[in-house]
Formats: sequence, C-alpha cells, structure tokens
Amino acid sequence: DTGVSQNPRHKITKRGQNVTFRCDPISEHNRLYWYRQTLGQGPEFLTYFQNEAQLEKSRLLSDRFSAERPKGSFSTLEIQRTEQGDSAMYLCASSYRDRDYGYTFGSGTRLTVV
Amino acid sequence: AQTVTQSQPEMSVQEAETVTLSCTYDTSESDYYLFWYKQPPSRQMILVIRQEAYKQQNATENRFSVNFQKAAKSFSLKISDSQLGDAAMYFCAYRNFTNAGKSTFGDGTTLTVKP
Repeated sequence: DTGVSQNPRHKITKRGQNVTFRCDPISEHNRLYWYRQTLGQGPEFLTYFQNEAQLEKSRLLSDRFSAERPKGSFSTLEIQRTEQGDSAMYLCASSYRDRDYGYTFGSGTRLTVV
Repeated sequence: AQTVTQSQPEMSVQEAETVTLSCTYDTSESDYYLFWYKQPPSRQMILVIRQEAYKQQNATENRFSVNFQKAAKSFSLKISDSQLGDAAMYFCAYRNFTNAGKSTFGDGTTLTVKP
C-alpha cells in the first residue's frame, strides 16, 4: 500500500489553457474525494465518488471543472479555460465507505495559473 | 449548512509543554463525526484523531486527546508533551453520519513549537 498518489505535484499553466490532474487512491478504498485549498484556508470540498459514481458535486464548482473515476479506480480532475483564481492546491483523498476512519490524503497538486 | 470555526489562527508552545487548540462547529444534526488533521509544511495532511458524536467518552491517541462538548458544539485538541515534530497546521473537520460524503473544514491553526 503506497498511499494516495497525485500527479503532477506542480503545474504551471497559462490562463485559458486546460489542465488535468490524476489521483490514484488506496486500492481498498471505494470513496474518493477532491478538495481545493488556498493559502491560509482549510480544504474546500469539490466532489466525491463512490466507486465510479459521482455522488456529490459542490455548487461552487463551475462548469469548467469536471471529474471522472472510470472503473472506480483512479480519478482525474480537469479544469478547462483556466483562470488566475483557479490557482490553488488540489487535494485528493480516499476512504472506506463502511468504516469512517477519516480520509487518507495525497500530497496534492499545486496549480499556478499565470 | 454546517460550519467549522477555528478562532486561533496561530498558537505557540514550548517543547514538552501542553497546548490546546480550539474548534467550534454549527450543525442541526445529532449524529456526526469530528476530526483533527495535521498538515506539516509542504507535506500531506494526516488524520490525528476522530470522535463520534454519539460517544460521550473523549477520544485519545497517545499524546493527543480531545475535549468534546456536544451541547456547546465544541471540539478542542490537547497536545501533551509537545515535540518539535508537532509543528504544523491543524485543521478541525466535521462530517455527517448519514451522508458520509464531504467534510467541512475549519481554516486551521498554525502551531509553532519552540525548543
């Protein structure tokens, strides 16, 4: 078990470009979560999956954001037409459904939009 | 909507001393979970301790313990015998019992440990 893996660790992109992040959860965990964290603030919920089903999506998430979890394994988070306000740390976490022991987080992907 | 408030943006403690971090939350639910997470500088966030709201007994994990006051909606974290490795940002989080999806996090408390 290598924990939750996120790639890339850092991403610098120009405004208007599309970016995609990947998260590989702990294999036994059937729930996967995406959060966004800006400097000096706590993580803000974006969306979560149970297996391959996306069960909840934040109302704060614009249509430029989309997430997938094909086959209930890894997940991708895509941001289209990036804006400077999208600059943040994007955190992925996973957990068991039936045993709520909290999240296991990845190291995050830091996005900088210039 | 649930909210989580951490009123201490920064705290400091002398090595080997005890420090308490505060957290209050607002919810209309009766069953829920509460968590404390630790985020060291440039490192991933890890779970420190969890508490089920239906349990009256306060959770304890080695040097970490909580003071859970359900009526007051308060959930403080006590770190005993502080170590240099405890320096980090600490986040309090709330999660519904029935809809165990998203968690709501506070804005964190930065803990400095002085040698």
